[in-house]
Amino acid sequence: DAGVTQSPTHLIKTRGQHVTLRCSPISGHKSVSWYQQVLGQGPQFIFQYYEKEERGRGNFPDRFSARQFPNYSSELNVNALLLGDSALYLCASSLLASGGQETQYFGPGTRLLVL
Amino acid sequence: GDSVTQMEGPVTLSEEAFLTINCTYTATGYPSLFWYVQYPGEGLQLLLKATKADDKGSNKGFEATYRKETTSFHLEKGSVQVSDSAVYFCALKENSSASKIIFGSGTRLSIRP
Repeated sequence: DAGVTQSPTHLIKTRGQHVTLRCSPISGHKSVSWYQQVLGQGPQFIFQYYEKEERGRGNFPDRFSARQFPNYSSELNVNALLLGDSALYLCASSLLASGGQETQYFGPGTRLLVL
Repeated sequence: GDSVTQMEGPVTLSEEAFLTINCTYTATGYPSLFWYVQYPGEGLQLLLKATKADDKGSNKGFEATYRKETTSFHLEKGSVQVSDSAVYFCALKENSSASKIIFGSGTRLSIRP
């Protein structure tokens, strides 16, 4: 079975532009979470969606938004890009929404560079 | 708020050496604990997990035991290989309605042949 897939793998944008990142979860998984990993640091939680509804939001500005589609794939949108948005954006999927048995499986990430 | 602290790297060992990467956590509830591994240029892979106190997670020769009394989840391996070179992240997840994982800052491990 395919794992979590993300597209594109790499992206270069300039300040002020907008970007859309895409994620397809593992087949059968209904929960998708997004994380930002700045170079040299651990990932930081951005959003979780389950059954197309937002279940959690991290400490990120309103320039960051996301949505989940009926097929459980997801998009992360970032407006008005800043240099500090340069990072590896990771998507994770899980079968359950939460709880002790919920395990998140991560995709390879999209590396975004903002110039 | 909840947090994870892990030993700073880089950690450099010779092949077949014993490995310990320390991890402690702060949490208000009873979290699940994880170790994830990130190989160069790749995303995160789940290495092992433990969901309650005294549970031991294990995989690929790596082990970690959930110690509630010391709020720790140290990663160990008896004999490391060159292929174990990667960045290791300790993480926790509260067993609440949200699914937010909190990660430590990562420990880079390099194994010399």
